[in-house]
Amino acid sequence: DVKVTQSSRYLVKRTGEKVFLECVQDMDHENMFWYRQDPGLGLRLIYFSYDVKMKEKGDIPEGYSVSREKKERFSLILESASTNQTSMYLCASRERLSNTEAFFGQGTRLTVV
Amino acid sequence: AQSVAQPEDQVNVAEGNPLTVKCTYSVSGNPYLFWYVQYPNRGLQFLLKYITGDNLVKGSYGFEAEFNKSQTSFHLKKPSALVSDSALYFCAVRPFYDMRFGAGTRLTVKP
Repeated sequence: DVKVTQSSRYLVKRTGEKVFLECVQDMDHENMFWYRQDPGLGLRLIYFSYDVKMKEKGDIPEGYSVSREKKERFSLILESASTNQTSMYLCASRERLSNTEAFFGQGTRLTVV
Repeated sequence: AQSVAQPEDQVNVAEGNPLTVKCTYSVSGNPYLFWYVQYPNRGLQFLLKYITGDNLVKGSYGFEAEFNKSQTSFHLKKPSALVSDSALYFCAVRPFYDMRFGAGTRLTVKP
């Protein structure tokens, strides 16, 4: 089975801190994604990557950056955390083929105080 | 823009009754459509997908979905609901590399 692992289930950070969320997948998937989940808004795409060192902005990239130095790892970076970035963050991966489903990590619930 | 909409925030059904969770899509070309389920404090789990072919797609846990091109819909269904089906359900469409989700529908199945 595909496994997508996010480094933390819960995080509490202070306003202005630089925050790193890590995601690792073990199935050699080309595509990886970071979503943010908020009640009533569903999942919103922050960034995605279709190959190592390649990245594309999603719908809400402001205040975030990403890094993909190795195929299995995709990191989300909050350059200067703010309280409006308190949310659930979900990482996903998928094969390159267009008809395949994505596999999700368990999520990281981030609270910025 | 390619997107999906879930018109109901909440669906309540009694255990043993059939359930339907609605999804409509807006896609140019042939759509790739998906349903996912999320249990509390968990990530999303894949239920089923429509790529091409038969309009009735069967998936995990007894769920199925009907693709209707004329109505641009992809409703999730189950003939007999279980209390354990209570969860948050997301419809999704895959435009290109990425995947776009609806706002989600909370399904509550009461004993």
